[in-house]
Amino acid sequence: GQNIDQPTEMTATEGAIVQINCTYQTSGFNGLFWYQQHAGEAPTFLSYNVLDGLEEKGRFSSFLSRSKGYSYLLLKELQMKDSASYLCAVLDSNYQLIWGAGTKLIIKP
Amino acid sequence: NAGVTQTPKFRILKIGQSMTLQCTQDMNHNYMYWYRQDPGMGLKLIYYSVGAGITDKGEVPNGYNVSRSTTEDFPLRLELAAPSQTSVYFCASSYSTGGTNTDTQYFGPGTRLTVL
Repeated sequence: GQNIDQPTEMTATEGAIVQINCTYQTSGFNGLFWYQQHAGEAPTFLSYNVLDGLEEKGRFSSFLSRSKGYSYLLLKELQMKDSASYLCAVLDSNYQLIWGAGTKLIIKP
Repeated sequence: NAGVTQTPKFRILKIGQSMTLQCTQDMNHNYMYWYRQDPGMGLKLIYYSVGAGITDKGEVPNGYNVSRSTTEDFPLRLELAAPSQTSVYFCASSYSTGGTNTDTQYFGPGTRLTVL
């Protein structure tokens, strides 16, 4: 079967750095997405990785290791507005997105 | 440019009732999707469409139907509502070429449906 694992909840302090991990086992791999979802709102796109390595975009970075079936999202200089759920999703061999359950990130002052 | 819009935002249905969830996008995207999101679970694909006149089942299609008569609109129909269909429903769209579908999906604001 297809499976994507993320921690259910994480807590971090404003101004700090947090790393949200995602491991996957899917039938094929055509890329990995990270989305942000604030409570009661729609998911919004953060990043896409298809090759191994680190992609940096401002305060957010995303890393991929295809051989390990592993990705992480790194958030730097945390702000209160970063309190949200972070969704990991993998494009499988049929180019369908398989979604993890999401990691709820709580930022404390 | 409104992006992806969905109506209604909230709805309460009685068991056995029917309804249509509306979804419209104005980005000229060819792909459109319907997902449901249950608490503590990942998004589950219900149906998707790769263009006007073409639809296909996703992971959880039972109890739902769709149509795609235009590029812009992709309504989702619930024929006989059941409590198991209580969920948040998201419509999304993307522009993909060559069947690779690696492009970003843009989501509507969601419809919160309760079936009692």
